[in-house]
Formats: sequence, C-alpha cells, structure tokens
Amino acid sequence: AIQLTQSPSSLSASVGDRVTITCRASQGISSALAWYQQKPGKAPKLLIYDASSLESGVPSRFSGSGSGTDFTLTISSLQPEDFATYYCQQFNSYPPSFGQGTKLEIK
Amino acid sequence: EVQLVESGGGLVQPGRSLRLSCTASGFTFGDYAMSWVRQAPGKGLEWVGFIRSKAYGGTTEYAASVKGRFTISRDDSKSIAYLQMNSLKTEDTAVYYCTRGVRDYDYWGQGTLVTVSS
Repeated sequence: AIQLTQSPSSLSASVGDRVTITCRASQGISSALAWYQQKPGKAPKLLIYDASSLESGVPSRFSGSGSGTDFTLTISSLQPEDFATYYCQQFNSYPPSFGQGTKLEIK
Repeated sequence: EVQLVESGGGLVQPGRSLRLSCTASGFTFGDYAMSWVRQAPGKGLEWVGFIRSKAYGGTTEYAASVKGRFTISRDDSKSIAYLQMNSLKTEDTAVYYCTRGVRDYDYWGQGTLVTVSS
C-alpha cells in the first residue's frame, strides 16, 4: 500500500501569510492526488484534484503542484476561514490512502 | 444541488451488525461510483470501500481492515448506497462518510457516528 506523509503535521500562521503543505508518497503516483480541507465537526471538502486542478467554487488562492512522489498545496494569502485540517489523498493504486493531516492554526 | 445523507449509525455491541444508508439527490445516482470513508474520533481519514456504477459492473473493493466483514451495495431505483457492517469491532468506531466518486471525492455526506462498545 502507498503511504502518504504530510509535513508539517501542524502549522501556525497569520492571516495574509503564504502557506505551503507538502505530501510525499512512498512510491510514484503520477498526478493521482487530491487535497481536502476539513473543519471541526464537518465533512472534508475537495479543494484540488489531479494534483493541480482547482475544484469548482474553490478560491483561487488555493493551488496544487507536483507529480510522482512530491506534492504541495499552497495557500497564497491565508484568510480566517482557511484555518482547518488539510489532507492529501492518492488514487493511483488500491487501496486509496490519505495523509495523516496537517492542522493549520492561527498564530 | 447534490446532497448525500447518511443514516443508520448508533451504538452497537462488539460482534453485532449495523447497516448504514446513504441517500443521494441532485444527480443521476446510477451514473456514479459511491465510496465510504471513515474517521475514528480525533484521527485521520480512512478509505473503507466503494461500489462501481452498473455500467462498470457494480463491483466492489474494500480496505483490508474491513474485507469479509463489510459489504457495500446500491439500489439505483432509490438512489441509495448501503454499508452493511458485520462482526463489528471496537476499532470500527468512527464517523462514516458516504462520498461520490472512486478516484477523488467531490461530494460528501455529513457523516454518521458508529460507536462499537459493550
């Protein structure tokens, strides 16, 4: 099974900051990666699919990049509503797997 | 508007069974694969399994942790996906989410909590 390792596990940042979260796969997964945002008590929300495609309705301050084993999610200018936990997920091979999550907190 | 609504969660003793339902609306249910993802309290996301659309055979895939105990099925006439959970273990305690898709998941239900405890 493919393991996904996110870094950092937690991150403190301020409104307006540029933030980057990394997801590393234990083996190559081409561009078969998605990013989700989850707020407490809520279901995850799809942000990015196919590593770099922005889901409809998601603000353009979110962007994704990478292929193979190394991927990044970037938030260009943090907004108050962006403080949440972020997960990467691979669907290149079975079983689909998620990273352990990155909790983004207000500094 | 696409909506997925899970139901059927609750408290159940170890070794017993429970069936979750996911009622869909706002899209042509039969055209889509449906997946289940769970989240143990305070933990991350774990894929449980999925069922393909009838056009792709309606076949299923499961995580190793639930294979042989859980069964996913669908009733396209009612736009409902089911998760039948047998021989439940305490480690199955989680919020169970119904999601649309098999690669990435563009719509999620609100989740239903399953607590396995004596």
